[in-house]
Parts: sequence; C-alpha cells; structure tokens
Amino acid sequence: KNEVEQSPQNLTAQEGEFITINCSYSVGISALHWLQQHPGGGIVSLFMLSSGKKKHGRLIATINIQEKHSSLHITASHPRDSAVYICAVRGGPSGSARQLTFGSGTQLTVLP
Amino acid sequence: KAGVTQTPRYLIKTRGQQVTLSCSPISGHRSVSWYQQTPGQGLQFLFEYFSETQRNKGNFPGRFSGRQFSNSRSEMNVSTLELGDSALYLCASSLLLATQETQYFGPGTRLLVL
Repeated sequence: KNEVEQSPQNLTAQEGEFITINCSYSVGISALHWLQQHPGGGIVSLFMLSSGKKKHGRLIATINIQEKHSSLHITASHPRDSAVYICAVRGGPSGSARQLTFGSGTQLTVLP
Repeated sequence: KAGVTQTPRYLIKTRGQQVTLSCSPISGHRSVSWYQQTPGQGLQFLFEYFSETQRNKGNFPGRFSGRQFSNSRSEMNVSTLELGDSALYLCASSLLLATQETQYFGPGTRLLVL
C-alpha cells in the first residue's frame, strides 16, 4: 500500500508570501495529483503530474520521481488561496494500484 | 457543461437504516469514482465504475455497494448504517478510466448517522 505524507499539516502565511507544501510517497506511482478543498467540501483538481513541473497561474507543482517527492508552490499568496491542499497518488494503471491514495491534507490560511 | 451533481446534499439517518446516494457525472464522462471523507481517516477510495462495471474497489465492508447505469449515472448504497459511516461522500467523474485523467469532483453528500 502506498503511504502518502504531507507537510506541514497547518500553514499560516501573510498575503504575498511564497508558500510551499510538500508530499512524499513510499512506492512507485503512475501519477500524482494536487487537489484543493474549500470550506463546504468542494474539491478542485489543480494538477496531475507524472514527471517534471507544471504551472498554472500562481501555482507551480513539481515532482521528483527518484526521490518520491512532490511540492506545490503558491507565489504571491492571497487570502482566497486559503483552503486544504491534498496530495493523492495513483500506484499503477490497472488493478488495485489504480485507486487514489490520499495524504491527510495541509490547511493553508493566508492572512490579509 | 454542467458539473458533477450529487443528490441529496445533506442526509440524516439513524443506525441500522440504509441509504442511497446519487451521482450524475459530467455529460460524456463514462467513469465515476466514489470517495469517503471523515475527519479521522481523511479521503478514502470506495469504488470506481466504468461502462456499468465496477473496475476497482477500496477496502470497505460489503455494506457499501454501488452501481452504474447505462447513462453513466451512479448510485452508492450503504446498508445497516453505523455511526462511523457519518462522512462526506464525494463522487468524481472522468472521460475514460481514471488513470491518466483529471477527475472532476461533485459537491458531495454529507451523511450524518445518529
């Protein structure tokens, strides 16, 4: 079973700060997802990565397959970025490995 | 395109009852996955359906079951409810099997078991 560890669990930042959230996993994966969950429960998929780096607006996600590690960066953070950020990994393309295993999430609060 | 819809949004049941939750995927999407989210266990995978067939199942007891219809709509059923089944139940859809595809999540059904 793939274990997914996220750090930090809680993060408070001032508006404008650069933020990094980390995710480590224990076994090989076919894809890693970063998800955002706002109060009320709705989840939005931010990125899906299998290698390298992706950027969307102020969000950047990177993955290092050899080190089994991914980071989510937020540049010029804003109070509307306040949410829970969840890392999830998919072990393989078929069978039980295909199911997503989730980290426990990082609660981000950005203060104005 | 309309997003993923889930009904009902909120539900209160008592122990021992059964419950059926519904999920309508984005039009054209054929894969539906179900997840349970609790404060203690976080997000956990329940099952995945594609073309009316269950393709994958998480580590949940047999009280949790599901199905998918020919129009890709999916239902999940929990029988003999326990207090620990209180959770947010989320479904997510994708165009094809959710392997290398982005999943689009519904707003969830919040179930409270008393």
